[in-house]
Amino acid sequence: DGGITQSPKYLFRKEGQNVTLSCEQNLNHDAMYWYRQDPGQGLRLIYYSQIVNDFQKGDIAEGYSVSREKKESFPLTVTSAQKNPTAFYLCASSRQGGMPEAFFGQGTRLTVV
Amino acid sequence: RKEVEQDPGPFNVPEGATVAFNCTYSNSASQSFFWYRQDCRKEPKLLMSVYSSGNEDGRFTAQLNRASQYISLLIRDSKLSDSATYLCVVNNIDYKLSFGAGTTVTVRA
Repeated sequence: DGGITQSPKYLFRKEGQNVTLSCEQNLNHDAMYWYRQDPGQGLRLIYYSQIVNDFQKGDIAEGYSVSREKKESFPLTVTSAQKNPTAFYLCASSRQGGMPEAFFGQGTRLTVV
Repeated sequence: RKEVEQDPGPFNVPEGATVAFNCTYSNSASQSFFWYRQDCRKEPKLLMSVYSSGNEDGRFTAQLNRASQYISLLIRDSKLSDSATYLCVVNNIDYKLSFGAGTTVTVRA
């Protein structure tokens, strides 16, 4: 089945550590996105990528980094510079052209302990 | 000004009622529009795309008003299962997807 997979579903991180969240899609989509959602709030864009080896900062990129070495993969690293990393992280992908609706992974809940 | 703005609600309606809400967007060059549904602690899922002429999918009707830069969602004959947060999504020419903060709908028995 085609889809988008995020792992892990739950992640605990000690303060000062970097952690990497995985996002893989087999939908052959060009565009991929990372969003952050805090309780009771909407989605905020962290980074997005329209093509392999290229990505752009979203609205809240500080403290995060990404790479897009393969079309299928768009991992997100939450660095120690991110002051308040506890949140629900959602990865999405979409095709380009036409009506590019986005498909989401099931999300990763990151908690700093 | 936020790129996409929604009335957060909550809209609390009885079963069988009609509920409608809007979403405004700031970029007149926006190309594509969508409504997503998000249940508590789950990922958003596509409810429907919004076409220029407006479109219906069962009890759901979406409209686009480019002149006033808003889209709307109307839910007829509300069901308990319609309780969720509805997210407005706008796709700009650079394929950046922008989400509204969501409108919460609660349908009561």
